[in-house]
Amino acid sequence: DGGITQSPKYLFRKEGQNVTLSCEQNLNHDAMYWYRQDPGQGLRLIYYSQIVNDFQKGDIAEGYSVSREKKESFPLTVTSAQKNPTAFYLCASSPWDSPYEQYFGPGTRLTVT
Amino acid sequence: AQTVTQSQPEMSVQEAETVTLSCTYDTSESDYYLFWYKQPPSRQMILVIRQEAYKQQNATENRFSVNFQKAAKSFSLKISDSQLGDAAMYFCAYRPDTGNQFYFGTGTSLTVIP
Repeated sequence: DGGITQSPKYLFRKEGQNVTLSCEQNLNHDAMYWYRQDPGQGLRLIYYSQIVNDFQKGDIAEGYSVSREKKESFPLTVTSAQKNPTAFYLCASSPWDSPYEQYFGPGTRLTVT
Repeated sequence: AQTVTQSQPEMSVQEAETVTLSCTYDTSESDYYLFWYKQPPSRQMILVIRQEAYKQQNATENRFSVNFQKAAKSFSLKISDSQLGDAAMYFCAYRPDTGNQFYFGTGTSLTVIP
């Protein structure tokens, strides 16, 4: 079954700790994305990657970091520098340079206290 | 800069009736793609419909159709014969033909009244 997996579904951390959110896809898509979703603000782009070992900052990259060592994987680290990390995080992928839509994972709800 | 605006934070519709959700976008591109996504309470994003800007014909998918007005930069979603399962957050999205970045609106929360 092709798709995008994100784990875990719920994640709890103490303030000051870094935390890594997992995103894996078996759709053979080149491009992968991380979004943050807050009530009333829609989806805001954190980082995206068009190819392995390359990624670009989105609109709200501060306090986040990513890596893209494999085509299938695009983990997101929420660092202690992110001032308001509690949010719902969505990972997505799409074929490169095509009219196709993005495919989304089920999301991870991160709560930092 | 590309922006997508959904001016209706909340909408409601009676079951079996028709509802239209609005979306406008700002771009200087001539070729691009537009999408409507549905996010039910499970929070899984689901593609509802896609429109290519170069196509004049409005896209339709069963009970879902769009009214694409390129000159007005408007892309509204019409849901006919609304069902309880249509209750969700709906997001409008834009993607330019060049590049891979998607731009999303802030969403419209649709309630379906039995």
